[in-house]
Amino acid sequence: DTEVTQTPKHLVMGMTNKKSLKCEQHMGHRAMYWYKQKAKKPPELMFVYSYEKLSINESVPSRFSPECPNSSLLNLHLHALQPEDSALYLCASSQDLGQGSYEQYFGPGTRLTVT
Amino acid sequence: KNQVEQSPQSLIILEGKNCTLQCNYTVSPFSNLRWYKQDTGRGPVSLTIMTFSENTKSNGRYTATLDADTKQSSLHITASQLSDSASYICVVSAGGSGNTPLVFGKGTRLSVIA
Repeated sequence: DTEVTQTPKHLVMGMTNKKSLKCEQHMGHRAMYWYKQKAKKPPELMFVYSYEKLSINESVPSRFSPECPNSSLLNLHLHALQPEDSALYLCASSQDLGQGSYEQYFGPGTRLTVT
Repeated sequence: KNQVEQSPQSLIILEGKNCTLQCNYTVSPFSNLRWYKQDTGRGPVSLTIMTFSENTKSNGRYTATLDADTKQSSLHITASQLSDSASYICVVSAGGSGNTPLVFGKGTRLSVIA
């Protein structure tokens, strides 16, 4: 199984809502990532977890809150988002940290629209 | 500054034709270079990953080349199909510490038409 799954596929939320994005992998990978991708732009790294601990936070606003409950799951909690946060949110995983060394497998993404 | 530049920005070709996409990078120290295919609204899918010592790597109709001296890579697509229509992203990873983020190019948008 070389698949990273993400739910939901699409999400529309108001600026006062609280929602969560979910990501799951069963490849035994110990590093998991959240990326944000705007249209016609490359993915931008948001967070990196290694062995369920937050390893990298690329100065992401606190309205985005990541959580890694176990080695297979990665959540992104959303609260008080802005319309400019509308984007495709991608989850990825790799065997270990050391982004330069290990292949990253991406999920299909969650298309988020903030109204 | 670590950068990855891709060209062309977009490309339209007829089904069955070949095409070549280019990637130039200034990432240092270099660890490896990857090509991803990304369908609109979907996550990137890895096509190839090449280390410093590899000059060419194939994956079906996709062939990637790497010249580490000139810091250039190309992705050649043979006998294109309509399903090849996607963005192709060149991604370079730096060596050194394990926490170095990947450097993404902006991608080439390929449209294959009948």
